[in-house]
Amino acid sequence: ELKVEQNPLFLSMQEGKNYTIYCNYSTTSDRLYWYRQDPGKSLESLFVLLSNGAVKQEGRLMASLDTKARLSTLHITAAVHDLSATYFCAPNSGGSNYKLTFGKGTLLTVNP
Amino acid sequence: NAGVTQTPKFRVLKTGQSMTLLCAQDMNHEYMYWYRQDPGMGLRLIHYSVGEGTTAKGEVPDGYNVSRLKKQNFLLGLESAAPSQTSVYFCASSYQGAGTDTQYFGPGTRLTVL
Repeated sequence: ELKVEQNPLFLSMQEGKNYTIYCNYSTTSDRLYWYRQDPGKSLESLFVLLSNGAVKQEGRLMASLDTKARLSTLHITAAVHDLSATYFCAPNSGGSNYKLTFGKGTLLTVNP
Repeated sequence: NAGVTQTPKFRVLKTGQSMTLLCAQDMNHEYMYWYRQDPGMGLRLIHYSVGEGTTAKGEVPDGYNVSRLKKQNFLLGLESAAPSQTSVYFCASSYQGAGTDTQYFGPGTRLTVL
């Protein structure tokens, strides 16, 4: 059974600072998704990482995947208030490319 | 394109009552999913469907039933609601074979069982 662990679960940062969210998973997975959820809203897809060494960037967010270490990271550069949200990682599970297992999420708060 | 829609958006039930949540997608997606989200638990898969007429159990299926009679609709039923089923329910869909298979989520249904 695939287990997903995100760290940290809560992150409070100042605007302009950098930080990284970590996503570890327990068994083989060949793709991983990052989602964003604003309070009271639905989930929005940010990135899909399809292979070892994959790196995707959009704005101040950059995601990477190391399938050998079973680790994905979401790096935040020069945080701004608009990035405040909960971020979920979700690797696919059981060799399928559609069943996802979600981490518990990281609640990010960016303070002025 | 409306994407993925869910009805109702909010519902309050008494213990033992039944209800059906409707999910509809207009993206011609083969795969559809029902998740529940509880504080501090992330999203957990209840049931999913890989095509019209098919359903399968996910991580937490007990107390729920589903049906996929039409490709665009995926129904989640609670036959006898319990307080433990108080949660936010999300439906999602994806297109198998597109390579990336991103799941697109609906707006959610907030269910309270008293």
